[in-house]
Amino acid sequence: DTGVSQNPRHKITKRGQNVTFRCDPISEHNRLYWYRQTLGQGPEFLTYFQNEAQLEKSRLLSDRFSAERPKGSFSTLEIQRTEQGDSAMYLCASRTGGNQETQYFGPGTRLLVL
Amino acid sequence: DQQVKQNSPSLSVQEGRISILNCDYTNSMFDYFLWYKKYPAEGPTFLISISSIKDKNEDGRFTVFLNKSAKHLSLHIVPSQPGDSAVYFCAASGSSGTYKYIFGTGTRLKVLA
Repeated sequence: DTGVSQNPRHKITKRGQNVTFRCDPISEHNRLYWYRQTLGQGPEFLTYFQNEAQLEKSRLLSDRFSAERPKGSFSTLEIQRTEQGDSAMYLCASRTGGNQETQYFGPGTRLLVL
Repeated sequence: DQQVKQNSPSLSVQEGRISILNCDYTNSMFDYFLWYKKYPAEGPTFLISISSIKDKNEDGRFTVFLNKSAKHLSLHIVPSQPGDSAVYFCAASGSSGTYKYIFGTGTRLKVLA
């Protein structure tokens, strides 16, 4: 059973650069979430996909952030013109359809913006 | 506005004793609650969940209790083991829309051998 995978696991970038993260959900899961976790906080919701449709975006997701799930399988999260405040762990989670199905998380991508 | 609160940032327990982690929520629309365990540099790992139609759910050494009137849930770990040392997050979700999770800030559990 393959879990949620995320790449890269770590990314160090300079302020102003663009970065892109990838998430591969569990294969039969059609619902996909992105969260962000900063030090001392719990994960915070960023955005949600049902198949390829992006159905909700948090106000945390500024215009510099964009997420896609083009074929309803893997997803990418891009941050343009990174800022030091973007430094965080970016987590992806997936689940099946249904009302109260558990989300399963990937290992996360840790971003450090210098 | 912190809708899910874990007021104890840390907890130390002797091996073999009970660990009790607490979580409070404010939004009465939440009806699904979960506990996740997280090690450093890893993603959260699902432990146990409970629906609002229940007040208790057990899975091995882990039991979650839900008190809807008090908007309070707790996770009991019995007996505690050193491998349980991690950060524990509670999360809550509503019953419609995207079912996104709202997380607490976590409690760091240390089980002493």
